[in-house]
Amino acid sequence: TQLLEQSPQFLSIQEGENLTVYCNSSSVFSSLQWYRQEPGEGPVLLVTVVTGGEVKKLKRLTFQFGDARKDSSLHITAAQPGDTGLYLCAGGRAGRRALTFGSGTRLQVQP
Amino acid sequence: NAGVTQTPKFQVLKTGQSMTLQCAQDMNHEYMSWYRQDPGMGLRLIHYSVGAGITDQGEVPNGYNVSRSTTEDFPLRLLSAAPSQTSVYFCASSSLARQGSNNEQFFGPGTRLTVL
Repeated sequence: TQLLEQSPQFLSIQEGENLTVYCNSSSVFSSLQWYRQEPGEGPVLLVTVVTGGEVKKLKRLTFQFGDARKDSSLHITAAQPGDTGLYLCAGGRAGRRALTFGSGTRLQVQP
Repeated sequence: NAGVTQTPKFQVLKTGQSMTLQCAQDMNHEYMSWYRQDPGMGLRLIHYSVGAGITDQGEVPNGYNVSRSTTEDFPLRLLSAAPSQTSVYFCASSSLARQGSNNEQFFGPGTRLTVL
């Protein structure tokens, strides 16, 4: 059972388009992290959100944590080929160090 | 500062063989963990450790052993490899300086293991 469901699983778009990736759960998380992973490498942290309704921006990337802390979204504006990669969300629970990872969204941005 | 290092990068085993995947970090992180990554499954936690001498099981621990004799090293042992253990294995570390699981996890480059 996957506690964190990501959608879509695959996304292929043209350079300059906008996109949104979703991370949903029936469970409440105390924090939500987003990682990006490039081929042959380990995931790298993009952002951590901890407050329900929180919105964080990282250049062209906008991250939002749902009010109920059960879901999150990642919006990319004017995607570039350098955004290509696997995007993983990971939920944290109070009192636990281990993260629960989603299944990932593989993004390909065509030039 | 090398971060998290893993060896080997690639490995092919025959069913029944044993091997150890090495992981080391030079950031003085207390928390270390092992994940496996399979297509469509994201990252699944195998074992983790909150400090030297302390280890615990994650979501998929069967067939794997770990030990933590030093802060820096956290090897993962496959006792008798099976084809179902074909996967990419990632080691990660993080500080325990802040409460909860908000601390950034730093990942190694991974070990791609094939069991025939």
